[in-house]
Amino acid sequence: NAGVTQTPKFRVLKTGQSMTLLCAQDMNHEYMYWYRQDPGMGLRLIHYSVGEGTTAKGEVPDGYNVSRLKKQNFLLGLESAAPSQTSVYFCASRIRYNEQFFGPGTRLTVL
Amino acid sequence: KQEVTQIPAALSVPEGENLVLNCSFTDSAIYNLQWFRQDPGKGLTSLLLIQSSQREQTSGRLNASLDKSSGRSTLYIAASQPGDSATYLCAVVSLRTGSARQLTFGSGTQLTVLP
Repeated sequence: NAGVTQTPKFRVLKTGQSMTLLCAQDMNHEYMYWYRQDPGMGLRLIHYSVGEGTTAKGEVPDGYNVSRLKKQNFLLGLESAAPSQTSVYFCASRIRYNEQFFGPGTRLTVL
Repeated sequence: KQEVTQIPAALSVPEGENLVLNCSFTDSAIYNLQWFRQDPGKGLTSLLLIQSSQREQTSGRLNASLDKSSGRSTLYIAASQPGDSATYLCAVVSLRTGSARQLTFGSGTQLTVLP
């Protein structure tokens, strides 16, 4: 049982490049989330999914897209990276009203 | 909009001391509250989850309390150790989040336990 895993752990992009962050969970959780963590801003919700094939916008969705084709995977895409997207990205999952489990994070730098 | 505040932002204590971390939230209509630990450069580790109908939860040296009506939670750490040094985050799931049930986080308390 690996819990929540994230790929890659680190990435450096140039402005305008694209990339996809992968989140995987093996706990059969319905809900999955993408957050970003910035100094002084805390963790903020980007997008979330309440089940396979569903996605919705969170607090700061601009510049990101997501997909959840399989229940265990939640992908976060940056189509044209900007320096403002330099951050640490965390994926999380949960069952209904239970506790949320987080992945180890992806540290992204956009130059 | 739900806002979560944690005071103090940083705390330094000698080893062995008992300590209390504070968390307050503006909207008392919550499903639950969760305390996390974050080590530098690492992810979040869930410590305790308190459902809205509960008053406290305990795990080892940790005890978390919830007073929903006053919008407050405390995390009590007994007999602190240098290994407890980390940032502690409080987060709530508000009833008003609809289907998202996402967490709203505080900015955390950075704890340093001195040997």
